[in-house]
Amino acid sequence: QVQLVQSGAEVKKPGSSVKVSCKASGGDFSTSAINWVRQAPGQGLDYMGLIIPVFGPPNYARKFQGRVTITADKSTNTAFMELSSLTSEDTAVYYCARGKNYFDLWGQGTLVTVSS
Amino acid sequence: DIQMTQSPSSLSASVGDRVTITCRASQSITTYLNWYQHKPGRAPKLLIYAASSLQSGVPSRFSGSGSGTDFTLTISSLQPEDFATYYCQQTYSTPGFGQGTKVEIK
Repeated sequence: QVQLVQSGAEVKKPGSSVKVSCKASGGDFSTSAINWVRQAPGQGLDYMGLIIPVFGPPNYARKFQGRVTITADKSTNTAFMELSSLTSEDTAVYYCARGKNYFDLWGQGTLVTVSS
Repeated sequence: DIQMTQSPSSLSASVGDRVTITCRASQSITTYLNWYQHKPGRAPKLLIYAASSLQSGVPSRFSGSGSGTDFTLTISSLQPEDFATYYCQQTYSTPGFGQGTKVEIK
């Protein structure tokens, strides 16, 4: 049974970057779309972008273009989301999720706190 | 970008009630519409995909309908475990979510 296992919580300074990982355990994800979604405190779900490892180039939501980089390592079945130029407004739980037309499998979430 | 608008933003209901949540897209998305349940501290859970298809393992009290721009999620008989926030999502273009509907205990 495939699971998406994310890296642990992070605390970052304003202006820095954070890189969150999402490993598919129990299966191959190279042909799956891996998406990134975040939820800031008290807010709704915010879509960031996706990558399909076997096809290559990621696709980013307009809101995050220029600040987010999504990559994948097929050899380790791991996807990564790096967000730069962090501000306090980037404090959120970040999720990876599998799927193209719908997201049927989610990681457990990674809390990123941006604080000076 | 396609805008997704849910209503209501929140509602109070009792166990056993029939609950309906609506979602409207700013342009036609055919049936590229999904519904998720989200509880605090947990990952969102897919309930309905392609507007009306029930995800495996999801109780049959959940149902979805609609096409084009107008969609509904119905819970036929609300159960204690159903108190949560519900989101619609379009995947017709770059995915986007509605603002959420919080279902609270009356």
